[in-house]
Amino acid sequence: GQQLNQSPQSMFIQEGEDVSMNCTSSSIFNTWLWYKQEPGEGPVLLIALYKAGELTSNGRLTAQFGITRKDSFLNISASIPSDVGIYFCAGRAETSGSRLTFGEGTQLTVNP
Amino acid sequence: EAGVVQSPRYKIIEKKQPVAFWCNPISGHNTLYWYLQNLGQGPELLIRYENEEAVDDSQLPKDRFSAERLKGVDSTLKIQPAELGDSAVYLCASSLASYTEAFFGQGTRLTVV
Repeated sequence: GQQLNQSPQSMFIQEGEDVSMNCTSSSIFNTWLWYKQEPGEGPVLLIALYKAGELTSNGRLTAQFGITRKDSFLNISASIPSDVGIYFCAGRAETSGSRLTFGEGTQLTVNP
Repeated sequence: EAGVVQSPRYKIIEKKQPVAFWCNPISGHNTLYWYLQNLGQGPELLIRYENEEAVDDSQLPKDRFSAERLKGVDSTLKIQPAELGDSAVYLCASSLASYTEAFFGQGTRLTVV
């Protein structure tokens, strides 16, 4: 099946720092979604992207749909302790119809 | 508006026993997904429904797993018999249509002992 490579696997940062994570694929994608998951909960949708080059913000979060359609980026500005969690990218590959494939996640830890 | 509702939240069973999970999607959402999430990994698709039709079940282990969405609304995922390796979180998600955002329930954490 489709493979999404998400990096980094984990990040340890200080409160107030900016964070950047990305997701890449060898295939062309037509949808990118970014989720956050906290312990014991299901993934919560943060941002949805549908067009190459699209840049979308949700508060302190900004995500971009890569021009090549094979990658996406998520940035978090001025991190706070409640940003802690696992961030997943998910996407729909052009050749896989509407199947939604997930990356392995980025574990974010924010030190106060 | 209520989100995706799953039950039970937790289930502990002995191996070789059957188990069933229930999902009620967001009202009006035609697409329903069941995902499996192992510890430390991203969700993996088991099956996807468009209304009552299973349109993508290629990753469902059909020897022991089955699912149904009889009226195109609620869905049930069953495992019979359960194995130790089935211990994981089972997530249900729904979307308005197949190419729109998918919203997840809280999941059912299954432990097989």
